[in-house]
Amino acid sequence: GAVVSQHPSRVICKSGTSVKIECRSLDFQATTMFWYRQFPKQSLMLMATSNEGSKATYEQGVEKDKFLINHASLTLSTLTVTSAHPEDSSFYICSARQSSGANVLTFGAGSRLTVL
Amino acid sequence: QKEVEQDPGPLSVPEGAIVSLNCTYSNSAFQYFMWYRQYSRKGPELLMYTYSSGNKEDGRFTAQVDKSSKYISLFIRDSQPSDSATYLCATTANSGGSNYKLTFGKGTLLTVNP
Repeated sequence: GAVVSQHPSRVICKSGTSVKIECRSLDFQATTMFWYRQFPKQSLMLMATSNEGSKATYEQGVEKDKFLINHASLTLSTLTVTSAHPEDSSFYICSARQSSGANVLTFGAGSRLTVL
Repeated sequence: QKEVEQDPGPLSVPEGAIVSLNCTYSNSAFQYFMWYRQYSRKGPELLMYTYSSGNKEDGRFTAQVDKSSKYISLFIRDSQPSDSATYLCATTANSGGSNYKLTFGKGTLLTVNP
């Protein structure tokens, strides 16, 4: 089955630093990847849609200059949290939709970011 | 009103019980319905995917969609301790394309006690 790998699974950083999270589709090509954020006991909230070879589409209220998304290839999207602050501490999850047009998403295992 | 409402629980049942998980939605444009299972500190994994009203069965799991009342359910028969997880309903109006977007419920935390 389709597998999405996310790295790192956990990261702790100091306030003001930047953190990069990678999302890879291991056995399929993904023209579109999605980045979600999940706070404790809350649902997944879509942050942005990452499109290979073009700019990401951000949801309302998500700062594009703070959450930089790059989708440089059909198997890799990265999310960089710039100048991270404690309120950015959250569980970040990526997902991918196969280029074949499947209507379901495959999720990565998530990355837990803690900003001190 | 949120687009997808789901009782967060927690729900605790004995092993072997039948579990019923439910969501309601408000947008009649939603056509595709999914249930995801999420273990603690992990990403969601797809359990069931349905398109139309009716039932879909897969092993111990049955997904039910009633578009007339905008109500979706997941039933788990013979529940096992390994079923203990958070169950998220999700829906979308789009069949695909660059604007494909899932709307999730808040998730119901289920514990199956041995």
